[in-house]
Amino acid sequence: AQKVTQAQTEISVVEKEDVTLDCVYETRDTTYYLFWYKQPPSGELVFLIRRNSFDEQNEISGRYSWNFQKSTSSFNFTITASQVVDSAVYFCALLNSGNTPLVFGKGTRLSVIA
Amino acid sequence: GAGVSQTPSNKVTEKGKYVELRCDPISGHTALYWYRQSLGQGPEFLIYFQGTGAADDSGLPNDRFFAVRPEGSVSTLKIQRTERGDSAVYLCASSLSGTFGYTFGSGTRLTVV
Repeated sequence: AQKVTQAQTEISVVEKEDVTLDCVYETRDTTYYLFWYKQPPSGELVFLIRRNSFDEQNEISGRYSWNFQKSTSSFNFTITASQVVDSAVYFCALLNSGNTPLVFGKGTRLSVIA
Repeated sequence: GAGVSQTPSNKVTEKGKYVELRCDPISGHTALYWYRQSLGQGPEFLIYFQGTGAADDSGLPNDRFFAVRPEGSVSTLKIQRTERGDSAVYLCASSLSGTFGYTFGSGTRLTVV
């Protein structure tokens, strides 16, 4: 079975603070893919990153960085120097190989206060 | 089209009525997915099409829900005898290859009163 747990339901930070969103996943597959999506108030899910299970290198994209650790089944997302525009709900998701659908966590609502 | 288009963006219907929600995927994307997102929850899988056929409909909650994709492009999600518990945002996504992730539409907010 596949499962994604985002333990933080809501986080509130002051602008320019760094914030880390946690994601823990469960899967029996050895080949799988992990994703982060952003859902702003407009409602559309915006793709942020995809990582496959064989690539444990951390990734940085501007103010965003991702830490993938297979040993702890975690794929955490850090926003550096947060901005008000980062306010949104962030979803971590898991896709096994084959034709199984993407499974989402319950999301973390991030509020960045000016 | 450039993105995944869903219509209508909002739908209010009375309990017991029939509704159809439409999804127009990105041109050339063979895979199409329907998800349902209730307030404060993550999207939950409903059904997945590969071409014209439903490859996995294990997420459909009951037989009041049905979806079609007759020509392998546009898909329609149909809900019969709507109930208040069906109120949610229904999201559609398409993909060229699922492992590269999905592109989502803006969703249809369904409210059953």
